[in-house]
Amino acid sequence: GAGVSQSPSNKVTEKGKDVELRCDPISGHTALYWYRQSLGQGLEFLIYFQGNSAPDKSGLPSDRFSAERTGGSVSTLTIQRTQQEDSAVYLCASSLAVGAGKTQYFGPGTRLLVL
Amino acid sequence: DAKTTQPPSMDCAEGRAANLPCNHSTISGNEYVYWYRQIHSQGPQYIIHGLKNNETNEMASLIITEDRKSSTLILPHATLRDTAVYYCIVRVESGGSNYKLTFGKGTLLTVNP
Repeated sequence: GAGVSQSPSNKVTEKGKDVELRCDPISGHTALYWYRQSLGQGLEFLIYFQGNSAPDKSGLPSDRFSAERTGGSVSTLTIQRTQQEDSAVYLCASSLAVGAGKTQYFGPGTRLLVL
Repeated sequence: DAKTTQPPSMDCAEGRAANLPCNHSTISGNEYVYWYRQIHSQGPQYIIHGLKNNETNEMASLIITEDRKSSTLILPHATLRDTAVYYCIVRVESGGSNYKLTFGKGTLLTVNP
């Protein structure tokens, strides 16, 4: 079946512009996660959704970052007034539910470059 | 979550078995062992996970020692496309912030022709 998909695959933007990143999880997966990975660095947790609600937004770096999920499916991560330090690969993952026994499956990522 | 230790790099000849070790000596009884890999410029890919028993799927086998302090990921017939960074992580079964995946430095496996 189809895996997690993300769009766009690459995004180049100018400092100060807003960007929207989209994630389409595996069908039937109620949990959805956003991470980012800077060059040569590990995973940085941003936010997760259980259904349409986000119980943990603690990883969002600043109030310029927001995310929503509608219909328990597609999620959008929005970065307002982008800064150069926002340049990274933004990864989305989904799982059947939340828990260690529930494997997270990742999408290919969106590579964001802020000039 | 328990910390894991992996060698920074390994080489393997194409067609041979690749055996990737992981130490997790402080693992708790309710922590799973997970393996992911990340091929250059791609998202992390789930490989396999286990709690106590050895596991096998179409990608790999996971051998967990009886005391659960270490494990080995086995790719039975490595191909060039298996060249990637392999991450061994342990995750508590429930509670806390177990949904947050964190990767260490992993092992860079290079499969040579």
